[in-house]
Amino acid sequence: DIQMTQSPSSLSASVGDRVTITCRASQGISNYLAWYQQKPGKVPKLLIYAASTLQSGVPSRFSGSGSGTDFTLTISSLQPEDVATYYCQKYNSAPITFGQGTRLEIK
Amino acid sequence: EVQLVESGGGLVQPGGSLRLSCAASGFTFSSYEMNWVRQAPGKGLEWVSYISSSGSTIYYADSVKGRFTISRDNAKNSLYLQMNSLRAEDTAVYYCARDHPPFVYWGQGTLVTVSS
Repeated sequence: DIQMTQSPSSLSASVGDRVTITCRASQGISNYLAWYQQKPGKVPKLLIYAASTLQSGVPSRFSGSGSGTDFTLTISSLQPEDVATYYCQKYNSAPITFGQGTRLEIK
Repeated sequence: EVQLVESGGGLVQPGGSLRLSCAASGFTFSSYEMNWVRQAPGKGLEWVSYISSSGSTIYYADSVKGRFTISRDNAKNSLYLQMNSLRAEDTAVYYCARDHPPFVYWGQGTLVTVSS
């Protein structure tokens, strides 16, 4: 099975910073990669799908890139409401797999 | 408005069984693939199972294969997860999620606690 490895597992940044989270697949998955945001006590929210397509209603400060095995989620200017855990998900084939998550905090 | 409402969670002893339900509304249930995803307390997301719109194609995570059974009743707009031989490590909030991934719509989840 394909494994998804996110890095870092946690990070702390200041408001206005550019933040980058990386997700690596153990085998190529083309662009079948999604990113989710989960705030404490809330249901996960889809941010990006097909590696780089912004879900409707998601702020444009979020962007995704990558293809094959290496993917990136970028927040161009961190806002206080972005405090959350972020997960990547590969969905090219079963089993569907999530990364272990990246906890993002405000410094 | 798409709504997914899970029910059936609770406390169960190791080795026991539980049946989760997900009631769908606000869309044509029979046209959509469905999934179960779980999240252990303080842990990450884990996909559990997938069922096609007709129910003809089903997939499971290795961690639940042979113990859990996903099913659906399109006439009742409902998704189910029959969980047998439950283990402590199955303790989690169980979410139903619509679509072949990615998952736009999620329910609020139902908590399953496996403990003696």
